[in-house]
Amino acid sequence: AQTVTQSQPEMSVQEAETVTLSCTYDTSESDYYLFWYKQPPSRQMILVIRQEAYKQQNATENRFSVNFQKAAKSFSLKISDSQLGDAAMYFCAYGLFGNEKLTFGTGTRLTIIP
Amino acid sequence: EAGVAQSPRYKIIEKRQSVAFWCNPISGHATLYWYQQILGQGPKLLIQFQNNGVVDDSQLPKDRFSAERLKGVDSTLKIQPAKLEDSAVYLCASSPGRLQETQYFGPGTRLLVL
Repeated sequence: AQTVTQSQPEMSVQEAETVTLSCTYDTSESDYYLFWYKQPPSRQMILVIRQEAYKQQNATENRFSVNFQKAAKSFSLKISDSQLGDAAMYFCAYGLFGNEKLTFGTGTRLTIIP
Repeated sequence: EAGVAQSPRYKIIEKRQSVAFWCNPISGHATLYWYQQILGQGPKLLIQFQNNGVVDDSQLPKDRFSAERLKGVDSTLKIQPAKLEDSAVYLCASSPGRLQETQYFGPGTRLLVL
């Protein structure tokens, strides 16, 4: 079975600084997808960024980028120029190609310090 | 475009009572998911529908949980009878149905079982 591990329960960063959230996963499959979802306090979960495993190029979305290391089964999220609105729980998720089911990690709570 | 709607937003019941949650997915989305998110954990898939058929219900406690998606649109998740350990946020999500399209989440229903 696939597992997703987020080893940082909590992280904090000064506003305008850069922070990296870690995620590792375990799979024996070669075709899969990885996601970072953001869940603000009392608000719904939204997609931050996604990465297809067959793509070597790391995905970027404005201030958000990933470092995808397929051999190491690592998928970290970098947030540049952190803003107060980035404060949230961040979940890493794995999805197997051909099966839309997602497996989530336990989350990292990110606090932005003004 | 309207997002995923869920109701109620909050529910408090006593153990052994029954409760039902409703979800209206994004218009045209073929796939609908129900997740259970216990405090401090990532969401766990309970059941996945493709149109009005069940794709995956392997983690649904079928002795007390049931779900249906009539006409392939709205869905209802029911718990009968509820246990203390069912206290959680129940998230509904939908996706267009093609392979690994992004899942869009609703605001969730927070259930407290006393």
